[in-house]
Amino acid sequence: GENVEQHPSTLSVQEGDSAVIKCTYSDSASNYFPWYKQELGKRPQLIIDIRSNVGEKKDQRIAVTLNKTAKHFSLHITETQPEDSAVYFCAATPGAGNMLTFGGGTRLMVKP
Amino acid sequence: NAGVTQTPKFRVLKTGQSMTLLCAQDMNHEYMYWYRQDPGMGLRLIHYSVGEGTTAKGEVPDGYNVSRLKKQNFLLGLESAAPSQTSVYFCASSGLATGELFFGEGSRLTVL
Repeated sequence: GENVEQHPSTLSVQEGDSAVIKCTYSDSASNYFPWYKQELGKRPQLIIDIRSNVGEKKDQRIAVTLNKTAKHFSLHITETQPEDSAVYFCAATPGAGNMLTFGGGTRLMVKP
Repeated sequence: NAGVTQTPKFRVLKTGQSMTLLCAQDMNHEYMYWYRQDPGMGLRLIHYSVGEGTTAKGEVPDGYNVSRLKKQNFLLGLESAAPSQTSVYFCASSGLATGELFFGEGSRLTVL
């Protein structure tokens, strides 16, 4: 089955700096890669996703890049703000009928 | 429109006791999932369902059973609880296998 590795496990940045979280996956058949944000004590919520036919996707201050050859994808957050502090999870799946496998999570702390 | 609702939100069990977690969604989603979240382990899939009357095993199914008798409900059962099942349990639903997962608020279970 799919295996998703996520790094780093914790990340501390100053407000206004950029943050990058990286994930690798094992199943070359995976074609959907979402990112979820989980604030303390809350449920995970989708913030951005990318499909295998696209190399990059942006939504305001967040962007995701995908390198299918190397089997890795990354989340980029620019101009970080204190409200970006949360745990971020990447995930991957080969698609219909298959499980969505999550990475272990990255705790992002944005210091004011 | 409540989205995904889980009950109960908190429960303390003694080793060997049984219990059922109920998940209900009002979005007419085909797919429903049960995850457990442990510190540093991310979200691990226990069981999932691709439609009414169907269930399938996820990554960590041992010690759990599920049922999907109605499209809107997905039940997770622990027949004989063990301390290793102490965790936060999240139910989720999606309209597509590779679509956005909508999570419930989580159920914190402690097994003594």
